[in-house]
Amino acid sequence: KQEVTQIPAALSVPEGENLVLNCSFTDSAIYNLQWFRQDPGKGLTSLLLIQSSQREQTSGRLNASLDKSSGRSTLYIAASQPGDSATYLCAVEGNTPLVFGKGTRLSVIA
Amino acid sequence: GAGVSQTPSNKVTEKGKYVELRCDPISGHTALYWYRQSLGQGPEFLIYFQGTGAADDSGLPNDRFFAVRPEGSVSTLKIQRTERGDSAVYLCASSLTGTGTGEQFFGPGTRLTVL
Repeated sequence: KQEVTQIPAALSVPEGENLVLNCSFTDSAIYNLQWFRQDPGKGLTSLLLIQSSQREQTSGRLNASLDKSSGRSTLYIAASQPGDSATYLCAVEGNTPLVFGKGTRLSVIA
Repeated sequence: GAGVSQTPSNKVTEKGKYVELRCDPISGHTALYWYRQSLGQGPEFLIYFQGTGAADDSGLPNDRFFAVRPEGSVSTLKIQRTERGDSAVYLCASSLTGTGTGEQFFGPGTRLTVL
């Protein structure tokens, strides 16, 4: 059974810092990996999708990498801003449509 | 264009009652998914539709839960004899094609509270 772990569970940084969120998964037989953002009381916003054949994807200040063989992904956020404060969720799609981690709760302090 | 919409946004019911939750996917998306998210947890998969048929319902917790998508667009998640443990946010997502092929887009969710 696929399991997804996200470290750290919570992170607080000052505005302007670069930061890395980590995601690991136990079964490397995946189709893709997706990073989402969730604001309190809201649904999920898709940030980046990495297909299993890809190594990374970039969107603005966000860069996500995927090492399928080792079961790891990282989300890099450059020059963090208070508006980046949210919970970030990693999810992998394989035999089950999406299996999620518990998320990393990010606070960016002005 | 419009994103995924879900109604109601909040639903409060009493233990033992029946509830229906509705999802309107993005127009043209053939795949539709239901997930359930408890407080402090990531969403958990419930059921996946490809067109009108349930392609994977392995995540439904028991036979009190049922979902339909009769015309391949709108879907309804139905919960019979609700229990307090059913309280959660129910999320719907859609994708252009199906499993393994594309990005899933999520709706805002329905917060279900069973008293």
